[in-house]
Amino acid sequence: QKEVEQDPGPLSVPEGAIVSLNCTYSNSAFQYFMWYRQYSRKGPELLMYTYSSGNKEDGRFTAQVDKSSKYISLFIRDSQPSDSATYLCAMSLGYGQNFVFGPGTRLSVLP
Amino acid sequence: SAVISQKPSRDICQRGTSLTIQCQVDSQVTMMFWYRQQPGQSLTLIATANQGSEATYESGFVIDKFPISRPNLTFSTLTVSNMSPEDSSIYLCSVGGEKGEQYFGPGTRLTVT
Repeated sequence: QKEVEQDPGPLSVPEGAIVSLNCTYSNSAFQYFMWYRQYSRKGPELLMYTYSSGNKEDGRFTAQVDKSSKYISLFIRDSQPSDSATYLCAMSLGYGQNFVFGPGTRLSVLP
Repeated sequence: SAVISQKPSRDICQRGTSLTIQCQVDSQVTMMFWYRQQPGQSLTLIATANQGSEATYESGFVIDKFPISRPNLTFSTLTVSNMSPEDSSIYLCSVGGEKGEQYFGPGTRLTVT
């Protein structure tokens, strides 16, 4: 079993849809959870950062962490064509610890 | 967040040669990281480069193949040595943030022929 699993997609949705992106993980010791957006031929851009369990909202983006289920989610409301990118989840054991990345989900938002 | 630049942005190199990739940050940072992202794949950590100490390499990566320098708190280099086509990849540097997050540079796209 891989340490972090993520549906690779591609996921295609119409503009304005609510998008749900998910990652599952096997190591219950992970404490820090991140979501990155990566456009083609660009470096990953940090979208959301969450410590431990709970929800965090930033504009159209909501990150959820369920440590009991070892499951994290990123929701995108009112999706836009500019949201079309690969979304990577990442997690680490603690401050300054190495990140483990999921394989990424490729999202296409169709106008 | 820090502004990170990398040079070169891309290069095509011949088998057996070496390429040095530079990473420049606009502020002083303690932790810098080097990753590889192979085509269609996620990110794999090569090494952690903290100023004032030797780089720490992940399993499967060795200093002779990927020597790293970290001369100060705003700069690092990664050299890909004795390249083969299997080294064709995107190489990314990142820096650690105050809360444990990481910020990435734009990447260097390397093709080895």
